Amino acid sequence: HLLESGGGLVKPGASLRLSCAASGFTFSISAMSWVRQAPGKGLEWVSTFRGSDVTTYYAESVKGRFTISRDTSKNMVFLQMNNLRAEDTAVYFCVKDGSGDVWGQGTPVTVSS
Amino acid sequence: DIQMTQSPSSLSASVGDRITITCRASQGVNKALVWFQQKPGKAPKSLIYDASILQSGVPSKFSGSGSGTDFTLTISSLQPEDFATYYCQQYHSFPLTFGGGSKVEIK
Repeated sequence: HLLESGGGLVKPGASLRLSCAASGFTFSISAMSWVRQAPGKGLEWVSTFRGSDVTTYYAESVKGRFTISRDTSKNMVFLQMNNLRAEDTAVYFCVKDGSGDVWGQGTPVTVSS
Repeated sequence: DIQMTQSPSSLSASVGDRITITCRASQGVNKALVWFQQKPGKAPKSLIYDASILQSGVPSKFSGSGSGTDFTLTISSLQPEDFATYYCQQYHSFPLTFGGGSKVEIK
């Protein structure tokens, strides 16, 4: 089970921190990802934290602006989003594993002046 | 980056029809491919992983095949609850990439 929070309406250039609370599986060794979906568009992978070797990966579109992290003591993963742009507007989903077997319900992020 | 190309992007079908959606990778991904179903306003749901393994709880009317660069998702005997958008995604290498989606509509 995954539950996201932290989305909202912000102005361009602002920051947001998304959170995802995980339960029901061995969090520490799992890969956790963020995937987003802009209004009316398809799915876009954003970032992955690979728990097995503590390695992070980012899409080129967010590299240098977004940071993924986790707190294994709380079974949580985070996405710190800085310097937000209008094109970052989307529903952000927290996803377990590269094969996506568990998804959260999503949290909406709107970047608009 | 590995590009994933789905076809068709949309199709109209009737209840009871058998349909096939294809997904082509720009380079080989072995069997590291998953198929998702997404209904409006909902999170995607995993149907098939490792190209052909049915996710727990998913009905056997869904099947997947392929390896390397060419993959198919087949739904036998479409039911009203199957009208949705379907996505493929490769997890062979980063960046993870999705197909553009195939919207299945009622004829």
